[in-house]
Amino acid sequence: DQQVKQNSPSLSVQEGRISILNCDYTNSMFDYFLWYKKYPAEGPTFLISISSIKDKNEDGRFTVFLNKSAKHLSLHIVPSQPGDSAVYFCAASAYSGGGADGLTFGKGTHLIIQP
Amino acid sequence: EAGVVQSPRYKIIEKKQPVAFWCNPISGHNTLYWYRQNLGQGPELLIRYENEEAVDDSQLPKDRFSAERLKGVDSTLKIQPAELGDSAVYLCASSPRGSETQYFGPGTRLLVL
Repeated sequence: DQQVKQNSPSLSVQEGRISILNCDYTNSMFDYFLWYKKYPAEGPTFLISISSIKDKNEDGRFTVFLNKSAKHLSLHIVPSQPGDSAVYFCAASAYSGGGADGLTFGKGTHLIIQP
Repeated sequence: EAGVVQSPRYKIIEKKQPVAFWCNPISGHNTLYWYRQNLGQGPELLIRYENEEAVDDSQLPKDRFSAERLKGVDSTLKIQPAELGDSAVYLCASSPRGSETQYFGPGTRLLVL
């Protein structure tokens, strides 16, 4: 049973436009959500995160929105640039007092930015 | 600041052979994680260390996998014997105390023939 779902395996967006990547989760114990970006043959690179006490977090061109009631989060990239082409993973964790649990990842969305 | 270091980057072995992966976390990070990523999937947790203590190894296949983190810094993940299904990328990550953000190394790509 997948606890973190990214239902779009791929997404193609024109350069300069907005990219919106979506993620759904089922485990109500998750209290921290992260987005990672991954290039081929590299490890995932941390992009942006959001705590469950917030509904929005912004960092430059990247904004993450969290809708707890719908168990849904999204990553917005504005404007999209060619270097944004990569696989994006949504991840979630629960803090268990002694430290952050391991992350539960979605399967990823391959974002392609077209010139 | 140096990132998470892993070696080797690539490893090809025949089935039933042993293999070991090494990880050096970011300096000062007390929490260390090992993940396995299969093709087309997201990473999946194998084991989590708080300093030298393995606090979550519930997903580690203990019949063939073992891990250690001596002195609470570097860590080694071992598979013995390797099976064809172990072909995957093995990722190490670390995080500082009190943080839920994990920082990943480049991974070791294992191919079992």
